[in-house]
Amino acid sequence: GAGVSQTPSNKVTEKGKYVELRCDPISGHTALYWYRQSLGQGPEFLIYFQGTGAADDSGLPNDRFFAVRPEGSVSTLKIQRTERGDSAVYLCASSLGAGEASPLHFGNGTRLTVT
Amino acid sequence: QQPVQSPQAVILREGEDAVINCSSSKALYSVHWYRQKHGEAPVFLMILLKGGEQKGHEKISASFNEKKQQSSLYLTASQLSYSGTYFCGTAPSGTYKYIFGTGTRLKVLA
Repeated sequence: GAGVSQTPSNKVTEKGKYVELRCDPISGHTALYWYRQSLGQGPEFLIYFQGTGAADDSGLPNDRFFAVRPEGSVSTLKIQRTERGDSAVYLCASSLGAGEASPLHFGNGTRLTVT
Repeated sequence: QQPVQSPQAVILREGEDAVINCSSSKALYSVHWYRQKHGEAPVFLMILLKGGEQKGHEKISASFNEKKQQSSLYLTASQLSYSGTYFCGTAPSGTYKYIFGTGTRLKVLA
């Protein structure tokens, strides 16, 4: 079946602009995660959803970052007033549900470059 | 608190063995292991739950010591395809907020 799909794969934007990154999880997966990965670093937790609600958004760096998942499937990560420091690969992952035995399935990421 | 992995990097010849360690300052209830190849998404390898030792993938196995708050990944008779960066991921009890470790870069040479 289809894996986690992220669009766009690459996004170049100017400092100060607004961007939206989309994640389409595996069908039937109720948990959805957003991570940010800089070169040479591990994925950094941003937020995760269980269904439609954000179960934990403690990793969002500041109020310029916001994520939604209105119907419990597709999610959008929104970044306002982008800064050069926001440049990174944004990874989305989904899992079958709550539970320590549910592996995360990652998408290929969106590479965001802020110029 | 981000789990700490060691070593940071390792180079092997095909057929050699390696051990990658993951340590946490907080109590562990489960540990996930992933491998990421350059420019690709992390790929799930295995999960360990509360002290279980599990063989999950090729010749890769892992252990989990709750008391020491550590997990180790064992790669035996390494193959070229094992090259990549390995991450452990842990979540505090009662949450599914998976935090990934600092990563271990592994390169297998022919």
